[in-house]
Amino acid sequence: AQSVTQPDIHITVSEGASLELRCNYSYGATPYLFWYVQSPGQGLQLLLKYFSGDTLVQGIKGFEAEFKRSQSSFNLRKPSVHWSDAAEYFCAVGAESGGSNYKLTFGKGTLLTVNP
Amino acid sequence: DTGVSQDPRHKITKRGQNVTFRCDPISEHNRLYWYRQTLGQGPEFLTYFQNEAQLEKSRLLSDRFSAERPKGSFSTLEIQRTEQGDSAMYLCASSTGQGNSPLHFGNGTRLTVT
Repeated sequence: AQSVTQPDIHITVSEGASLELRCNYSYGATPYLFWYVQSPGQGLQLLLKYFSGDTLVQGIKGFEAEFKRSQSSFNLRKPSVHWSDAAEYFCAVGAESGGSNYKLTFGKGTLLTVNP
Repeated sequence: DTGVSQDPRHKITKRGQNVTFRCDPISEHNRLYWYRQTLGQGPEFLTYFQNEAQLEKSRLLSDRFSAERPKGSFSTLEIQRTEQGDSAMYLCASSTGQGNSPLHFGNGTRLTVT
């Protein structure tokens, strides 16, 4: 069965600093990988996704992520964090569930705090 | 594109009562998913539909839970005889059904069982 590990429960960075959120996955085949962001009391917003091709993926709000098959990782990065980036971030792996369908398995999330 | 809509946003109920939540997916999306998220955890898969057919159910979905999507459009999730452990955020998501289409999530229904 597929699984996702986000080693950091809580990260604090200063506004303007760079950010890297870690994600490791376990899945037997080529994974579909995703990063979602969730503000308090809200649903999840898709930041970026990887299905195939270029292993460096660009997303919304200036985020990017790099798929490294050898390390089973899909870390999220941003060169300069803004106060509005404070939220919870979830990494997810998509596993096939019949034909071309897939379902997502999520990590437990990383809470990002941004100091002014 | 009005997004995925969930109703109600919040529900407080007493233990033993039945509750029903509704999800309206993005109009052209034929796949619909239900997830549950408890405090401090990531969302956990409950079930999903391809049009009106329920194709998979998680072992988390006990016999007190039932989901329907009768006309392949909106979906309902019913919990019978609620327990305090059912308190969670229930998230609905939809996708187009294309092989690599992402899931779009609604804002969820927050259930509190007292």
